[in-house]
Amino acid sequence: DQQVKQNSPSLSVQEGRISILNCDYTNSMFDYFLWYKKYPAEGPTFLISISSIKDKNEDGRFTVFLNKSAKHLSLHIVPSQPGDSAVYFCAARPLNTGTASKLTFGTGTRLQVTL
Amino acid sequence: DGGITQSPKYLFRKEGQNVTLSCEQNLNHDAMYWYRQDPGQGLRLIYYSQIVNDFQKGDIAEGYSVSREKKESFPLTVTSAQKNPTAFYLCASSIGGAAYTEAFFGQGTRLTVV
Repeated sequence: DQQVKQNSPSLSVQEGRISILNCDYTNSMFDYFLWYKKYPAEGPTFLISISSIKDKNEDGRFTVFLNKSAKHLSLHIVPSQPGDSAVYFCAARPLNTGTASKLTFGTGTRLQVTL
Repeated sequence: DGGITQSPKYLFRKEGQNVTLSCEQNLNHDAMYWYRQDPGQGLRLIYYSQIVNDFQKGDIAEGYSVSREKKESFPLTVTSAQKNPTAFYLCASSIGGAAYTEAFFGQGTRLTVV
């Protein structure tokens, strides 16, 4: 049962335009959401996060939006740059996992930013 | 520099052999994790440890074993009981006790069993 879903395996966007990556989740116990960026044969790097008490978090060109009622979050990248081309993973953490930040990951969306 | 070191980056083993993947961190993090990534799939949690000498199974622990004898180290053994061991393995760590914290990942080990 896929609790975190990224339904678009790939996305192509022109340089300078907005990239919107989407993520849906089914577990209502998730209360902390993260986006990671991953290049081939490397470990994921943390991009941005949002807790369930907020509906928006912004960090430079990256903004994450959370719609709890729809169990949906999205990552906006504005403006998109060629260096943003990578696989983006959405991840979620449930309440009450003790001290461990156990994360459940989506399957990823491959973003390609074209010139 | 602080970080997580996984070694080796590439590993080849014959079918039926056990193999141990190394993970060391100098971030002073309490919690450590092992994930597995397969093509077209997300990262799946194998084992995690919240503190030294303690660890719990993740979603796909069968065929794997771990130890946590030191805070800095969390090695993963892929045993011959693991049916599909060929994958990209990622180790991560996070600050223990914090409600909202991200996990930091190593560079990964690609294991190929032939």
